[in-house]
Amino acid sequence: DAGITQSPRHKVTETGTPVTLRCHQTENHRYMYWYRQDPGHGLRLIHYSYGVKDTDKGEVSDGYSVSRSKTEDFLLTLESATSSQTSVYFCAISDQTGAISGNTIYFGEGSWLTVV
Amino acid sequence: DAKTTQPPSMDCAEGRAANLPCNHSTISGNEYVYWYRQIHSQGPQYIIHGLKNNETNEMASLIITEDRKSSTLILPHATLRDTAVYYCIVRPRGADGLTFGKGTHLIIQP
Repeated sequence: DAGITQSPRHKVTETGTPVTLRCHQTENHRYMYWYRQDPGHGLRLIHYSYGVKDTDKGEVSDGYSVSRSKTEDFLLTLESATSSQTSVYFCAISDQTGAISGNTIYFGEGSWLTVV
Repeated sequence: DAKTTQPPSMDCAEGRAANLPCNHSTISGNEYVYWYRQIHSQGPQYIIHGLKNNETNEMASLIITEDRKSSTLILPHATLRDTAVYYCIVRPRGADGLTFGKGTHLIIQP
């Protein structure tokens, strides 16, 4: 298993509160990703990082921000959680972009977030 | 972006080979074909990937047609634990990340 730890694994929060999900890796990989998975939509990319302090938006970035101050940690923040952000969130890592070579992306075990 | 087409579901008997097809007729020359699977409530698991040649690892084999417009993932001796949703993904040029479709729900029957 890739050395990826997501925390918390489960969280219930109230609408309007800020929430931060943490992804920690022990592989020293350059690239980190946050996905969300919802019924009927599959996995969708929220944000990704290609290095410390280097991040970019994915397909569904509205309402989310990210930060990467260290290689090993990638934080996903919901500034003001809404019920539509109830989802399973997956962190992923890779050591190179697939545009250069056929490298592999490895996923964490997920964080279940419920916004009530 | 190259898109993939997979059957929504398939059944396979335990102990038999499971052959999962994927169509990617618009694939570009430098795009890789990846296969992942997701067992219920777990994170997606990498299985295998390839560019042109057939590939094999401890989990599966990947057969890519000569024109690269389709591929088949083969699980040689399926077990009940192989029941999962299998995703065939073509990684677009310049993309950071993977774009997941709906995949194939493979059900291994005892």
